[in-house]
Amino acid sequence: QQPVQSPQAVILREGEDAVINCSSSKALYSVHWYRQKHGEAPVFLMILLKGGEQKGHEKISASFNEKKQQSSLYLTASQLSYSGTYFCGTEAGGTSYGKLTFGQGTILTVHP
Amino acid sequence: GAVVSQHPSRVICKSGTSVKIECRSLDFQATTMFWYRQFPKQSLMLMATSNEGSKATYEQGVEKDKFLINHASLTLSTLTVTSAHPEDSSFYICSAPAGTGANTQYFGPGTRLTVL
Repeated sequence: QQPVQSPQAVILREGEDAVINCSSSKALYSVHWYRQKHGEAPVFLMILLKGGEQKGHEKISASFNEKKQQSSLYLTASQLSYSGTYFCGTEAGGTSYGKLTFGQGTILTVHP
Repeated sequence: GAVVSQHPSRVICKSGTSVKIECRSLDFQATTMFWYRQFPKQSLMLMATSNEGSKATYEQGVEKDKFLINHASLTLSTLTVTSAHPEDSSFYICSAPAGTGANTQYFGPGTRLTVL
């Protein structure tokens, strides 16, 4: 089943922060985060493997609550280049190892 | 990071023709590759898993006779859309896992297919 992302869309001014959430109804092995610009392929941001794991990538970080089957992506001091659609991809593991099921996406727009 | 290429980047074809899309891992070997399809303003949907040396496995609802997958080598997988119809028009993207343990999926740049 497709994970649910919230919110569906976010509009920010440069320098503002945002949080994007991803919830799954199934137990997860890992959560992957991607950003996609219009007409381009998704670009890998980060992967979270363990419950409670947090990772950072410049001003973008993420957490993974394995128990709650949730992950959140944190964007701080947003820049214009952060605009795009953010997808979480969940991996169930086991026989589904390597297969990602993507959420519906969150459209992030950063204005000057 | 690892690099995955796709060819062609864009293709326009007539209804009823077949189209082949190539996916290559440029600086690493991939025994498994994944094919996704993305319709406008929608999410990526996994179509099939391409396995080097064995048959591809297809997701529920994906016609294996229509979307032929061949994993010819450790760096090349091809997707052939047979007898394409306008409803097959979409953005087709492949991915390959790279690195150890984490199985980070690296995506190719995608192929925009338009069937007239």
